[in-house]
Amino acid sequence: GNSVTQMEGPVTLSEEAFLTINCTYTATGYPSLFWYVQYPGEGLQLLLKATKADDKGSNKGFEATYRKETTSFHLEKGSVQVSDSAVYFCALRGDGNNRKLIWGLGTSLAVNP
Amino acid sequence: ETGVTQSPTHLIKTRGQQVTLRCSSQSGHNTVSWYQQALGQGPQFIFQYYREEENGRGNFPPRFSGLQFPNYSSELNVNALELDDSALYLCASSLQQGYNSPLHFGNGTRLTVT
Repeated sequence: GNSVTQMEGPVTLSEEAFLTINCTYTATGYPSLFWYVQYPGEGLQLLLKATKADDKGSNKGFEATYRKETTSFHLEKGSVQVSDSAVYFCALRGDGNNRKLIWGLGTSLAVNP
Repeated sequence: ETGVTQSPTHLIKTRGQQVTLRCSSQSGHNTVSWYQQALGQGPQFIFQYYREEENGRGNFPPRFSGLQFPNYSSELNVNALELDDSALYLCASSLQQGYNSPLHFGNGTRLTVT
């Protein structure tokens, strides 16, 4: 079945550092890939998405490229801020009508000033 | 536009009791899905409703049930609560059933079972 594996946290960085959170997936067909962010005490928010191979999703300085050859969708940001401290989830949705999302376990990011 | 709203925000129940959680979907959204997120874990899919009918279900027992109403709002009902049901329950809505339509999440209901 479909699955998502993302790097374990917590990740602790200093402000303005470069961020990479790895995400790899297993899926049949042509899944869509997502990164969601969960700030403390809040629900999940869509950060970015990519729906086909080689697509690059981007938002708020974050980027991720859908790599079918390596089955990866790594999240990157060139210069993190304290306000980026949150839990980041990689997720996959298969190419069917069921909108079920398959989630990674989440990676907690703490950015220190 | 109004986002996804869930009620209540927090709830404490005793083992064996029943609970109903509510979700108002974002305006115009006709698909609602429910997720259970245990502490420190990723969300687990419970089920999905499209135009008032369940059309997808995760690996949850029948004591987890739901409804979607004509205005597309939704309820999650859990009977015979167990301690392991303690979690954040998230509702998500989307505009259509197609897989490219993004999900919009509410802030969740934190359920504690004692």
